[in-house]
Amino acid sequence: NAGVMQNPRHLVRRRGQEARLRCSPMKGHSHVYWYRQLPEEGLKFMVYLQKENIIDESGMPKERFSAEFPKEGPSILRIQQVVRGDSAAYFCASSANRGSISEQYFGPGTRLTVT
Amino acid sequence: GIQVEQSPPDLILQEGANSTLRCNFSDSVNNLQWFHQNPWGQLINLFYIPSGTKQNGRLSATTVATERYSLLYISSSQTTDSGVYFCAVEQGSGSRLTFGEGTQLTVNP
Repeated sequence: NAGVMQNPRHLVRRRGQEARLRCSPMKGHSHVYWYRQLPEEGLKFMVYLQKENIIDESGMPKERFSAEFPKEGPSILRIQQVVRGDSAAYFCASSANRGSISEQYFGPGTRLTVT
Repeated sequence: GIQVEQSPPDLILQEGANSTLRCNFSDSVNNLQWFHQNPWGQLINLFYIPSGTKQNGRLSATTVATERYSLLYISSSQTTDSGVYFCAVEQGSGSRLTFGEGTQLTVNP
């Protein structure tokens, strides 16, 4: 049973370019979460999505960042016009959220470097 | 929002030693998870423990929800236990996790 998959694992972008990060949840999971980890810090929530719906985007920067989880295919986190401060590890998590059980499982992360 | 505090921030042990990591949170929670982030950056699920006690090999965890804290016990530590241990809490059902700043554990041979 495959875990949460993220690609690419490493991404290098020049300032001003776009970054697209992909996440495929665990089989049977329909809830996806994105978190960001800056160097030497803990993880910070960005956005929570279900298929075709954004449930909570209160942790997402208001500009340049967007996320989607289409009916078919992976969830995408998109960062437009990247700046050096966007350099971080971006983690995706998924959960099944059955009843009161909502354990989140994390992917290996995408390490974004902006040069 | 809810505050999550972990202690100690750093811990250095000799192989074979035991340790206790603590996580305090400022409000009632629906879910609590412990993770190990290994030196390669991967987050490994250790425990899903909103209340009570669980054990998995050399690791065990206890959450006392009414007193708003959780403890992670590591016994007979090994060098492969090195990394950062995170506590994360969830207040709603199926909502975001709020992470603590982590405990950096180094186990020396």
